[in-house]
Formats: sequence, C-alpha cells, structure tokens
Amino acid sequence: SQKIEQNSEALNIQEGKTATLTCNYTNYSPAYLQWYRQDPGRGPVFLLLIRENEKEKRKERLKVTFDTTLKQSLFHITASQPADSATYLCALGRYNTDKLIFGTGTRLQVFP
Amino acid sequence: GAVVSQHPSWVICKSGTSVKIECRSLDFQATTMFWYRQFPKQSLMLMATSNEGSKATYEQGVEKDKFLINHASLTLSTLTVTSAHPEDSSFYICSARTGETGNTIYFGEGSWLTVV
Repeated sequence: SQKIEQNSEALNIQEGKTATLTCNYTNYSPAYLQWYRQDPGRGPVFLLLIRENEKEKRKERLKVTFDTTLKQSLFHITASQPADSATYLCALGRYNTDKLIFGTGTRLQVFP
Repeated sequence: GAVVSQHPSWVICKSGTSVKIECRSLDFQATTMFWYRQFPKQSLMLMATSNEGSKATYEQGVEKDKFLINHASLTLSTLTVTSAHPEDSSFYICSARTGETGNTIYFGEGSWLTVV
C-alpha cells in the first residue's frame, strides 16, 4: 500500500541554523509534491509545490528538492526563526486524480 | 494566495443531532472542493471530493449518508454530519483547487466538531 513517511519525532534546531525535513514515499509515483505548514488547531497553509520533472524549488528562505529515484523530498528552511516552529506536512498527488496523500508531518521547534 | 474560509471554526453539538460546516472560496471559483478529517497527531485523511453541480465522490470507508456533501455553487460546499456521535468528534478541514488538476490546493482554517 502507499506509504508516506516523515520523521515522527520533533526536530529541534537553534535559531539561525538550517532545518531539513524529510519526506519519503513508497508504492507511489507522484506527479507532484506539496509542502504545507500547519499550526496547532489550524488548517494547513500551502508553502511550495514541486513537480516530478523539477529537481529543486526555492521561495525566500525555503527550498524543496524532489528525487523521484530515491523517492524522497527534502524541505529546507535556512536562517530558521522561532516563528518557523510548526508542523510541516508533505503531500503527494497525481495529475489524473485530485487526491492528495499526506504524511503525518514533522514538528519543527526553533529555539532562540 | 487564494483564500478558503470555513464556518464555524468550532461547534459543540449533542449526540444524535446534525451539524453543518460551510466551506467558501473567497477570491476564486472552485469547481472542486475537498473534505478532510484529522485526528490529533494524525495525518489528514480525505473524506470526499465535492464537484459543483454533481454528487460528491466519497473515499472508501466514508459513509455518504452520514457525511452529506453539497456543492451548490462555485464558491460554496457544505458538509453535514448527520446523527452525530462522539466518535465523529474531529477536526474537519476543507480545501479547494484554483484550477486544473495538479494546481495548488488551498485549505480552510478547519472546523473543530465536538459531539457530547
């Protein structure tokens, strides 16, 4: 069955450092992958979308890579700030369906 | 980015009653909206895909008679939890796509449902 794995343990990082979150998947061939931020008790907020033919995408302090051979996406936050503390979700989708499959998310905690 | 609004943000209802949650796309027309539920510390699980003017498509294991979805306009979809029970208590989130399949999907703020 399809499976998406994100680090279940929280990632604690010091302010100013680069945070790297991992999303691995099996038994799935996504056409695109999205990263979302979710704060406690709130809906997910879209951050970045990367398609299967793209290796890397950047947006301000955010960078996403997508390796369809390794079946892995990495999400980087450079110069991390305490305000970046949240749960980050990856979601995979295909062009012939609207169904997004979500990982369980990784909680990031940036401390001063 | 596009804005999706949900109402109410939280609701408490008695067991056996029905409750309606609204999802609106505020600054774009959404031919397709999606309903998810999320239990604490778990992933978002897709419940159904709502298409304007047609019947919703439900995921396996989701009772269509219990979770009624109506998508009467290009900016509004509603989820009605009928005869709610405590096990229906959850965080319900809607989302909408801004264009064709493969485009960005934006989420609402979510609605907390507590059934007592």
